[in-house]
Amino acid sequence: QVQLVESGGGVVQPGRSLRLSCAASGFTFNIYAFHWVRQAPGKGLEWVAVISYDGGNKYYADSVKGRFTISRDNSKNTVYLHMNSPRAEDTAVYYCARDSYTFGFTYYFESWGQGTLVTVSS
Amino acid sequence: EIVLTQSPGTLSLSPGERATLSCRASQSVSSSNLGWYQQHPGQAPRLLIYGASNRATGIPDRFSGSGSGTDFTLTISRLEPEDFAVYYCQQYGRSPYTFGQGTKLEIK
Repeated sequence: QVQLVESGGGVVQPGRSLRLSCAASGFTFNIYAFHWVRQAPGKGLEWVAVISYDGGNKYYADSVKGRFTISRDNSKNTVYLHMNSPRAEDTAVYYCARDSYTFGFTYYFESWGQGTLVTVSS
Repeated sequence: EIVLTQSPGTLSLSPGERATLSCRASQSVSSSNLGWYQQHPGQAPRLLIYGASNRATGIPDRFSGSGSGTDFTLTISRLEPEDFAVYYCQQYGRSPYTFGQGTKLEIK
């Protein structure tokens, strides 16, 4: 069955960097777009970024544009989120989510990982 | 940005009762690009409804969605114990793809 497993979370100082990973299994990886969605402690959900099935298209929320980079390695069935210059307000659980259509974007999410907590603090 | 406002903030009901959750958008949501998610504490969200009224794979038929334009509703016909959770609506018709603030469905 579809499985998404995030890793890489932890405590990071403001201005440093962190890379999150999302390892996928149970389906054909390279025909789906992937998203990162985050949830600050006790708060609601916020879409962060998306990468197309072939990595050729990437889009970001304004709140992270220019600081975060989404990437993927189709040979490793893994999606990444590179967090550069994180701020305190980036503290959240980061979820990896698979788009619901093949070879395109729908921006709604039928499959989610369990999330990884990132805490930005000095 | 399309702002989604969910009401009520908290809904207290008993198992077996009917739940009606509302999601109102600040602008019309194109092509009914509206979804609903359920989230239990400490767990990832789970897609319930997409396209305003289509149940996702494996979702029981006691869950139904309706609405168009700016007003959308999630109805749970007869509450089961596992239905008590937080529910979010999401619009995916226009960037940025926003979520509502959530409705907490709690046991009365």
